[in-house]
Amino acid sequence: DIHMTQSPSSVSASVGDRVTISCRASQGLNNWLAWYQQKPGKAPKLLIYGASSLQSGVPSRFSGSGSGTEFTLTISSLQAEDFATYYCQQTNSFPITFGQGTRLEIK
Amino acid sequence: QLQLQESGPGLVKPSETLSLTCTVSGGPISSSSYYWGWIRQPPGKGLEWIGHIYHSGSTYYNASLESRVTISVDTSKNQFSLKLSSVTAADTAVYYCARLKVRYYSDFWGQGTLVTVSS
Repeated sequence: DIHMTQSPSSVSASVGDRVTISCRASQGLNNWLAWYQQKPGKAPKLLIYGASSLQSGVPSRFSGSGSGTEFTLTISSLQAEDFATYYCQQTNSFPITFGQGTRLEIK
Repeated sequence: QLQLQESGPGLVKPSETLSLTCTVSGGPISSSSYYWGWIRQPPGKGLEWIGHIYHSGSTYYNASLESRVTISVDTSKNQFSLKLSSVTAADTAVYYCARLKVRYYSDFWGQGTLVTVSS
């Protein structure tokens, strides 16, 4: 199985800050990597797929980058509605696996 | 707008079978462009892929659950279903159904349903 490790596990930031979340895979992913946002009591929401493609309807302040085994989600200017937990997911090989999550909290 | 809705018992006894159905509205489950999947999340924990199905009936199951899982599809009802046998407390989780687009990315999700395994 491909193991996904996110860092940090939690981060505190303020509205307007730039935030980056990292995701490292135990094997190369050929860019088959997605990012999801989950708010308490809600289903995850797809933000980024293919490592850097923005899902339709997602604000452009979200961006994804990286290749191979190292990937990054960047939020360029945090808004109040962005405080949530973020997960990376690899779909390069079965079983599909997720990172453990990064909790983004208000400072 | 596509919508997915999970349904089924919220409480299952240990050793019994968990059964959930996902009803899809706003689009055909028989679309050639998508797979349909189940993902679960134990309370306070991360996400686990259970498996997915194509409208033809071809399936993939996570090997960690494969001996206990069955996913099926009913195109006439625009539904797909999950059965998980011999459940234990470790199977207590919120179960989500989802539409999977290219490369199995989940672009539409149900609201999720909490299933508790307890006697």
